[in-house]
Amino acid sequence: QKEVEQNSGPLSVPEGAIASLNCTYSDRGSQSFFWYRQYSGKSPELIMSIYSNGDKEDGRFTAQLNKASQYVSLLIRDSQPSDSATYLCAVTGGTGGFKTIFGAGTRLFVKA
Amino acid sequence: DAGITQSPRHKVTETGTPVTLRCHQTENHRYMYWYRQDPGHGLRLIHYSYGVKDTDKGEVSDGYSVSRSKTEDFLLTLESATSSQTSVYFCAISGGQGGYTFGSGTRLTVV
Repeated sequence: QKEVEQNSGPLSVPEGAIASLNCTYSDRGSQSFFWYRQYSGKSPELIMSIYSNGDKEDGRFTAQLNKASQYVSLLIRDSQPSDSATYLCAVTGGTGGFKTIFGAGTRLFVKA
Repeated sequence: DAGITQSPRHKVTETGTPVTLRCHQTENHRYMYWYRQDPGHGLRLIHYSYGVKDTDKGEVSDGYSVSRSKTEDFLLTLESATSSQTSVYFCAISGGQGGYTFGSGTRLTVV
């Protein structure tokens, strides 16, 4: 079992729709959770961090954390073609200490 | 990326040759990291540094060594390059919100 799992996709949504990206993690002691966006041929860019259960909103992005279910999600409202990228889930803490473990990423396509 | 640069951006090398990748930061961060990214595997930690001359192994450290003689520079060396080390290599430093800021990456091809 991978430590951080994501559906590789691709996830295809129409422009203006809500894109929902999901991630599960295996280490119950994990404490910090991150979402990165990576455009093709570019480096990952941090877009959201979340540390406690519940929702955290930043513009069109909402991160959701459920530690009991070991589940993190990212919602993108009013999706735009410019949101088309690979989204990486990352987790820190637990047995890994300060080291960050990344999922393999979900490819998102937003159709105009 | 602002504050962190990698060189070279692209490199093709032959099997068995040593290769050194450089990461330079201007943010005075104590921690620096080297990751490799391969399809289906995501980003995997190779080595990290928590200060000058202080380094430790990550999950995929075999065949790699690192050095940090100055706060701003973190070098990754492939001692004898193999085809399995063909990858994209990213350097990272601690960024905002507790996450990382990544360099632009080095695409390495071992032929």
